[in-house]
Amino acid sequence: QLQLQESGPGLVRPSGTLSLTCAVSGGSISNGNWWTWVRQSPGKGLDWIGDISHTGNTHQNPSLKSRLTISLDKSRNQFSLRMTSVTAADTAVYYCARLTEEPGTGYYYYYMDVWGKGTTVTVSS
Amino acid sequence: AIQLTQSPSTLSASVGDRVTITCRASQGITNALAWYKQRPGNPPRLLIYDASRLKSGVPSRFRGSGSGKYFTLTISSLQPEDFATYHCQQFDTYPLTFGGGTKVEL
Repeated sequence: QLQLQESGPGLVRPSGTLSLTCAVSGGSISNGNWWTWVRQSPGKGLDWIGDISHTGNTHQNPSLKSRLTISLDKSRNQFSLRMTSVTAADTAVYYCARLTEEPGTGYYYYYMDVWGKGTTVTVSS
Repeated sequence: AIQLTQSPSTLSASVGDRVTITCRASQGITNALAWYKQRPGNPPRLLIYDASRLKSGVPSRFRGSGSGKYFTLTISSLQPEDFATYHCQQFDTYPLTFGGGTKVEL
């Protein structure tokens, strides 16, 4: 059974860099699919950050794009998020998830079906 | 970016009630919509994809419908474990976006 686990510092200083890793177990990150990051600010809704395909193609939220790097490490079966110049507004629970692309009749279905438990990142001095 | 507007933002209900949550898209998204359930302290859990397809293992009391700009999630008979927040998400166009969430409370 596929499992995802986020890891990284829980506290980041303002103007610093947030770095998170999502370790994938029970399956290979190379076997298709997209791998995505989502965050949830305290008491708020869900915000899509970006994703990366098993071939390394990426999509990024335009609101974060200038500060964002999403990368893949096939040798370690994990993918990572790096966000620079963080502020208090980046304080959130960060989730990694699998974005499945399933062939349907004439088009593809997409959904995020496997999620990590989430990791809390606080931006504070 | 495509905006998703969920209503209501909060819904008071009782066990056994039929509950309907709506999700409106700012532009047409065909059927590229998913619904998630999230309980406090937990990640979202996929319920519905392609607007109306029930994920394997999800109880049949959950039903999704709609296409284009207007979608609904219906819970036919609310169970104690269904008190949670529900989110819609569109996959039609990047950037992917979520609705603001609907909290179903007692």
